[in-house]
Amino acid sequence: DAGVIQSPRHEVTEMGQEVTLRCKPISGHNSLFWYRQTMMRGLELLIYFNNNVPIDDSGMPEDRFSAKMPNASFSTLKIQPSEPRDSAVYFCASSPVGAGARNEQFFGPGTRLTVL
Amino acid sequence: AQSVTQPDIHITVSEGASLELRCNYSYGATPYLFWYVQSPGQGLQLLLKYFSGDTLVQGIKGFEAEFKRSQSSFNLRKPSVHWSDAAEYFCAVGPIDNTDKLIFGTGTRLQVFP
Repeated sequence: DAGVIQSPRHEVTEMGQEVTLRCKPISGHNSLFWYRQTMMRGLELLIYFNNNVPIDDSGMPEDRFSAKMPNASFSTLKIQPSEPRDSAVYFCASSPVGAGARNEQFFGPGTRLTVL
Repeated sequence: AQSVTQPDIHITVSEGASLELRCNYSYGATPYLFWYVQSPGQGLQLLLKYFSGDTLVQGIKGFEAEFKRSQSSFNLRKPSVHWSDAAEYFCAVGPIDNTDKLIFGTGTRLQVFP
């Protein structure tokens, strides 16, 4: 299995531009998580999908952030407009079917976003 | 409230020395507990997990952890550290709010000297 795939691995953009991060979860996994990691705030859960439905988006910082999961094999995290404080590493993780959080979360390699 | 505390932000050990990373949790019932490792520039990888049963669990790369209910702890140990173990280590607890969510600790950065 290829694991969780994220693209791009690195993104450098200018303030005000739209940024779209992409994630392909492991096939058969039914939960998907978007996290943000910074030195100051550590690892933060932004949003969590189960069976393609957003279950908890309380971690999404503000309306500039949006996430979608149009099907079981693809999710996007969009920032519009981007700001320098959005600079961080964004991780996608997926978790297999059944038994709730007994299941390990499998993390992707992350997207390092730099907003100038 | 549910929470995870990793008291040590940064630990330095010599190669070959033993290692113990601390993790304390606050949870209303028996939690599911996890240790993840993050090497520089990489995502998080699961080292080991505890759900029930034997309180001493073995993981990958020679790591083990012991669940101590009386101390609300789940400390990670390794008898002899290798230079390649230098990384950041995260403890996590779940389930949260009857969902698949986990709460992660703030991490402990391990530095290994030759």
